[in-house]
Amino acid sequence: LAKTTQPISMDSYEGQEVNITCSHNNIATNDYITWYQQFPSQGPRFIIQGYKTKVTNEVASLFIPADRKSSTLSLPRVSLSDTAVYYCLVGDWDSSYKLIFGSGTRLLVRP
Amino acid sequence: NAGVMQNPRHLVRRRGQEARLRCSPMKGHSHVYWYRQLPEEGLKFMVYLQKENIIDESGMPKERFSAEFPKEGPSILRIQQVVRGDSAAYFCASSPTPTGGLFSGNTIYFGEGSWLTVV
Repeated sequence: LAKTTQPISMDSYEGQEVNITCSHNNIATNDYITWYQQFPSQGPRFIIQGYKTKVTNEVASLFIPADRKSSTLSLPRVSLSDTAVYYCLVGDWDSSYKLIFGSGTRLLVRP
Repeated sequence: NAGVMQNPRHLVRRRGQEARLRCSPMKGHSHVYWYRQLPEEGLKFMVYLQKENIIDESGMPKERFSAEFPKEGPSILRIQQVVRGDSAAYFCASSPTPTGGLFSGNTIYFGEGSWLTVV
């Protein structure tokens, strides 16, 4: 499974757009990119998943360049409740399955 | 997250006791995963089970830890003779698909976790 690298922490203010970039230089052809959000004392929550180009849902957008060696999670107009840890995961499901969580990015949204 | 049910949410055990953590997957899901999260760290994969089968236990400590997912009832993560280093949050996740699932565009759903404290 490909290793990912994310910033350890980010600060933002309410109403701003936040972009969190994840590097995955060794991504394989069959790998998808998935982002999870985790609040303190809660389980991770699926945010978005993509393979290439751009994916958008009601919560976020995911931008993936052509070489797929990185991806950017974009959160529009963040609020205080978006303060959480965001995990980028890359991988495929072969004969067995496991998700490799890195340390994630701690996003702090200030008033 | 509400679909995957874990209990207890909080468990306190003395060193040497046994801890049993239960996980009921989402309705229709037959695949269960257990993860452990130490304070201020990311989640670490422990074990992947299907009904009555352990598919991948490569992340499970070789001693004192065991997991099962019987034909009927919840999945159980059992920790025998707990030590202080076992204090952590244990998350269960489930998915509806067999191999080739999640990263083919499907989603894995996590429960709210069970917090084990060993005193």
